[in-house]
Amino acid sequence: GAVVSQHPSRVICKSGTSVKIECRSLDFQATTMFWYRQFPKKSLMLMATSNEGSKATYEQGVEKDKFLINHASLTLSTLTVTSAHPEDSSFYICSASPRISGRAHEQFFGPGTRLTVL
Amino acid sequence: TQLLEQSPQFLSIQEGENLTVYCNSSSVFSSLQWYRQEPGEGPVLLVTVVTGGEVKKLKRLTFQFGDARKDSSLHITAAQPGDTGLYLCAGGNNAGNMLTFGGGTRLMVKP
Repeated sequence: GAVVSQHPSRVICKSGTSVKIECRSLDFQATTMFWYRQFPKKSLMLMATSNEGSKATYEQGVEKDKFLINHASLTLSTLTVTSAHPEDSSFYICSASPRISGRAHEQFFGPGTRLTVL
Repeated sequence: TQLLEQSPQFLSIQEGENLTVYCNSSSVFSSLQWYRQEPGEGPVLLVTVVTGGEVKKLKRLTFQFGDARKDSSLHITAAQPGDTGLYLCAGGNNAGNMLTFGGGTRLMVKP
């Protein structure tokens, strides 16, 4: 149980285009979903936290107009990188917290999406 | 802001050796999770500890949460090449809905 999927796993796009990444909790409902960014050989950096049906909370320094997050249901969140530039190239990982009493502090991670902007 | 310092940052050992990874903070956490991540994949949850002084074992891995819930350790006995990966500790805030990640420990176990 507690499986999270991400799609696509890898994407290459041209500078100036927008890219949408989907995050789904497959076998549980997620109270909250999180989006992280990870640079090579580094730890995870939280970008934003989203709850179903409400606006995402962005961490300091993360542009909300650049990284659009939509949390349409208890099992789906999307991250859209708008007008992507080479510096946006990174490994993006989502996670989800189960809507289960006593387990809301746990996060289960997706497999990540490797974005390369040319 | 809660910070977690993880040490060592990098560890290269021979198969069969023991090792300990530390996760320290001046802040109190409601829970502490340990994850293992392989290149190109997302982190996989190994264990969650929530009680001060709690010890959990997962085969050759032993996890301990400090009495004051400010620190944690991961001890691996008789490391194997399959243990190679990035180990991440993460502390849960009091609301229980956010994690603060340590900087990670990159472990390489040579055969």
